[in-house]
Amino acid sequence: QKEVEQNSGPLSVPEGAIASLNCTYSDRGSQSFFWYRQYSGKSPELIMFIYSNGDKEDGRFTAQLNKASQYVSLLIRDSQPSDSATYLCAVILIQGAQKLVFGQGTRLTINP
Amino acid sequence: DGGITQSPKYLFRKEGQNVTLSCEQNLNHDAMYWYRQDPGQGLRLIYYSQIVNDFQKGDIAEGYSVSREKKESFPLTVTSAQKNPTAFYLCASSIVTGNTGELFFGEGSRLTVL
Repeated sequence: QKEVEQNSGPLSVPEGAIASLNCTYSDRGSQSFFWYRQYSGKSPELIMFIYSNGDKEDGRFTAQLNKASQYVSLLIRDSQPSDSATYLCAVILIQGAQKLVFGQGTRLTINP
Repeated sequence: DGGITQSPKYLFRKEGQNVTLSCEQNLNHDAMYWYRQDPGQGLRLIYYSQIVNDFQKGDIAEGYSVSREKKESFPLTVTSAQKNPTAFYLCASSIVTGNTGELFFGEGSRLTVL
């Protein structure tokens, strides 16, 4: 099992709909979770982080964390074409040497 | 404007040559990192430094070397020992030393081996 796993997509969503991106992780003790957005050919940009179970909202973005099921999600409401990008999930794993591990990313396309 | 500057953005190298990628930051961050990204893969950590004159290997350090002589600068050398160096290289920094996921990235350097 990969330490941090995402569906690579592509995920295609119509404009105005909710885009749902999922990420699972292997280390049950992990405490810190991050979502990065990466436009094609560009560098990643941190858009959300979450440390506690439940939901965290920031504008059109909501991060959801379920530690019991070991998954973290990113919801994008009212999706816009400008949301088309690859979304990277990152988790600080604590088993063994603590380290930040990135998933392979999910490519999201918002269709006008 | 504060930020991280990487150069060059594009670089071509012949097999057997060493190349050095530059990374400069004016964010006054203590910690700096080098990541490698291959198509369809997540970022993998090459080296990181939490303080001047000190650095640690990441998951894929073989074939790479770094230095941290100044707080602002963290250059990466891709040596001829790196068997598959063609990739997108990203430099990052963070306010927090130690484990953090709150990273600020430079624009990246794309290296192609001919």
